Amino acid sequence: DAMVIQNPRYQVTQFGKPVTLSCSQTLNHNVMYWYQQKSSQAPKLLFHYYDKDFNNEADTPDNFQSRRPNTSFCFLDIRSPGLGDAAMYLCATSRDAGQQETQYFGPGTRLLVL
Amino acid sequence: SQQGEEDPQALSIQEGENATMNCSYKTSINNLQWYRQNSGRGLVHLILIRSNEREKHSGRLRVTLDTSKKSSSLLITASRAADTASYFCATVSLSAGQNFVFGPGTRLSVLP
Repeated sequence: DAMVIQNPRYQVTQFGKPVTLSCSQTLNHNVMYWYQQKSSQAPKLLFHYYDKDFNNEADTPDNFQSRRPNTSFCFLDIRSPGLGDAAMYLCATSRDAGQQETQYFGPGTRLLVL
Repeated sequence: SQQGEEDPQALSIQEGENATMNCSYKTSINNLQWYRQNSGRGLVHLILIRSNEREKHSGRLRVTLDTSKKSSSLLITASRAADTASYFCATVSLSAGQNFVFGPGTRLSVLP
């Protein structure tokens, strides 16, 4: 089945130790998104790729980076995780960037920072 | 600034009852979408309503949109325990660069 896959589902890292979260999709969608969701809050968009074009939200900290080596994969790199970065990280895709598009979400990766 | 805001923040009902959740937003929108999130999982798209539509149905779901009041409601009829989840509205506006802005969500608990 076509889907959005995130690995790992749970990630534990140490304060200041770089960590990479992975997302892959079999939908062949042009757009991939990364959201941060803290407990009992709405998902907050960090950045997205339209094909190879990277679009960073203005308030996304420099500590967060992303790579999209091909259509199927997108990575979220946290260079120096702080305790405040502990959250659920959601990857999503959409077929295009048009205003009528819906987003398809992966199951998320829950990050714990010790 | 936050675009969509849901109320109530939490709602607890008995199985079989109807659940109504509301969403308000601030800027002009192209469409409004509702998503569901089971605890610890990703979001699942439920329904999209365009700015020129007033009401839309999908199974037990009914969504209304009032652009004059900048508000939308999601009604779940004959609720089931499996409907227990958080429900988010998401708006797409030109000022947001076509990106979604999610409201804080309504946490629905359906008691058996």
